[in-house]
Amino acid sequence: GDSVTQMEGPVTLSEEAFLTINCTYTATGYPSLFWYVQYPGEGLQLLLKATKADDKGSNKGFEATYRKETTSFHLEKGSVQVSDSAVYFCALENSGYSTLTFGKGTMLLVSP
Amino acid sequence: GAVVSQHPSWVICKSGTSVKIECRSLDFQATTMFWYRQFPKQSLMLMATSNEGSKATYEQGVEKDKFLINHASLTLSTLTVTSAHPEDSSFYICSASGIVSGSTETQYFGPGTRLLVL
Repeated sequence: GDSVTQMEGPVTLSEEAFLTINCTYTATGYPSLFWYVQYPGEGLQLLLKATKADDKGSNKGFEATYRKETTSFHLEKGSVQVSDSAVYFCALENSGYSTLTFGKGTMLLVSP
Repeated sequence: GAVVSQHPSWVICKSGTSVKIECRSLDFQATTMFWYRQFPKQSLMLMATSNEGSKATYEQGVEKDKFLINHASLTLSTLTVTSAHPEDSSFYICSASGIVSGSTETQYFGPGTRLLVL
């Protein structure tokens, strides 16, 4: 079945540091890939998405490129802020299905 | 656009009572809505998928008589936790699938409902 693997957290960084959160997936067909962010006590917010190979999703300084050859969708940001502290979930939606498969989430803690 | 609301955001109830949680898509129509459960510091677990006007499809291991889902319109789905017990305490999150602003169909999540059963 489909699965998503994320690097375990927490990831702790200082403000303005470079962020990478790794995400790899296993799926049949051609899934769409997503990053969601969850702030403490809240639901999930869609951060960015990519629907086909080599697409780059970007939003709020975050970006991720759909790499079919390495089945990866790593999240990056050039300069993190304290307000980026949250849990980040990588997810896939397989073509033909409408359900999302989530990774376990990676907590990011950014200190001033 | 693409706002999904949940009500209530917090609920505390006594063991044995039933609790209803509403999920609404405020500015788009959602033919499909999803209900998730999230335990502390864990990922989301899909409970069920509901399509407007039809019965919900439950994931394996989810008791359909325990978690009643109704999707009465294109903008409203409800989850009723019947005869709630302390082990049902959790964070329940809904999502609505729709096409917004010409984009492809995407799931948009509600802010979640925290249920505490005493």
